[in-house]
Amino acid sequence: DTGVSQNPRHKITKRGQNVTFRCDPISEHNRLYWYRQTLGQGPEFLTYFQNEAQLEKSRLLSDRFSAERPKGSFSTLEIQRTEQGDSAMYLCASSSTTGEYEQYFGPGTRLTVT
Amino acid sequence: AQKITQTQPGMFVQEKEAVTLDCTYDTSDPSYGLFWYKQPSSGEMIFLIYQGSYDQQNATEGRYSLNFQKARKSANLVISASQLGDSAMYFCAMREGSGGYQKVTFGTGTKLQVIP
Repeated sequence: DTGVSQNPRHKITKRGQNVTFRCDPISEHNRLYWYRQTLGQGPEFLTYFQNEAQLEKSRLLSDRFSAERPKGSFSTLEIQRTEQGDSAMYLCASSSTTGEYEQYFGPGTRLTVT
Repeated sequence: AQKITQTQPGMFVQEKEAVTLDCTYDTSDPSYGLFWYKQPSSGEMIFLIYQGSYDQQNATEGRYSLNFQKARKSANLVISASQLGDSAMYFCAMREGSGGYQKVTFGTGTKLQVIP
């Protein structure tokens, strides 16, 4: 399978705990995006990497959120001191820089904060 | 102002009929693109079709076509010969900018239900 993969697929955590999600993009894609999707809404942009550089962050991304892509391959999204409002689907997408604009999405990680 | 507006929260279509899902957009960037994605109940986002702002012809991909009316800032998705498997959420999205970073903004979606 050469698509975008995300782990874990589901995460249930208690309020105040830290969680980390992983995204493995399509291997030849150097652009990687994180989105958050709540019920009944479209995905909302969180942050973007080109190779290992984080080039854009949404103001939705509070200080409790941090994302990394240390070697320009996989990426991690960490949420510290989770709140119930963080419950959502976290989607990762990747794209190439060779003129193709479409982003290919992973299956998402569903986070539930109790 | 909303960057992407999808005014139809839900739509029904009879199997084998055609259906149009509406999308209007707002941007001052001369270089932009419009996407449509399908999200079945399983949750994955599936790319359907893309139209660039400078493309002269409307994009088509199999049963999907994008009715791009630049002056009206609309990018409606037409699905021909609907199938039961087309039942899903459909999201219109827009990318802005050229070259490096491409921010993509999604609409709120339209839930399509295909009736046998």
